[in-house]
Amino acid sequence: QSALTQPASVSGSPGQSITISCTGTSSDVGGYNYVSWYQQHPGKAPKLMIYEVSNRPSGVSNRFSGSKSGNTASLTISGLQAEDEADYYCSSYTSSSHYVFGTGTKVTVL
Amino acid sequence: EVQLVESGGGLVQPGGSLRLSCAASGFTFSSYSMNWVRQAPGKGLEWVSYISSSSSTIYYADSVKGRFTISRDNAKNSLYLQMNSLRAEDTAVYYCARGVRHIDYWGQGTLVTVSS
Repeated sequence: QSALTQPASVSGSPGQSITISCTGTSSDVGGYNYVSWYQQHPGKAPKLMIYEVSNRPSGVSNRFSGSKSGNTASLTISGLQAEDEADYYCSSYTSSSHYVFGTGTKVTVL
Repeated sequence: EVQLVESGGGLVQPGGSLRLSCAASGFTFSSYSMNWVRQAPGKGLEWVSYISSSSSTIYYADSVKGRFTISRDNAKNSLYLQMNSLRAEDTAVYYCARGVRHIDYWGQGTLVTVSS
């Protein structure tokens, strides 16, 4: 199972919106509404930000939103803040009942 | 408060074995599926293994199948990962993680280093 494809880096100025893409296949992203997104600060454990494509867990800012079209899922961060600077990973359930993560995207707040 | 605390990591020689443990608290452990996810130094996340709440369903990533064994003891609120025939490429922080279809809680991880 190959990792889902994400851009290596995305940057934006405070207050701007950025979007991170996550491209898979019809056997994972495109086949199931089980895409999730995780935020990871250096030296810390990942944190769930979005699950089942577009649902936010309790306590996660509504500045984070998720969507999916075909084999590509997206995470949008609006009103970018300094604290959003981190690595972001997507993940999907797969047809082999496994889970696959994305390659990871480093978000930089300029 | 949900807590997942991993232990058992350390330095091991190639071909050696190690058993990781994860102590769970703050939730009804026996009701939840669990996973192990790893992260090599400076690299991305890699799902390793999944076990259902009753241990009836178990899955492994192809990279560890036949070498790693996941198990749990619901009476002890504990999750385990027995790792055999370890290779240099197994070097990573190993996270204990709760959930099915997505992971809602993660432990802080335990570092496994495979080196001679």
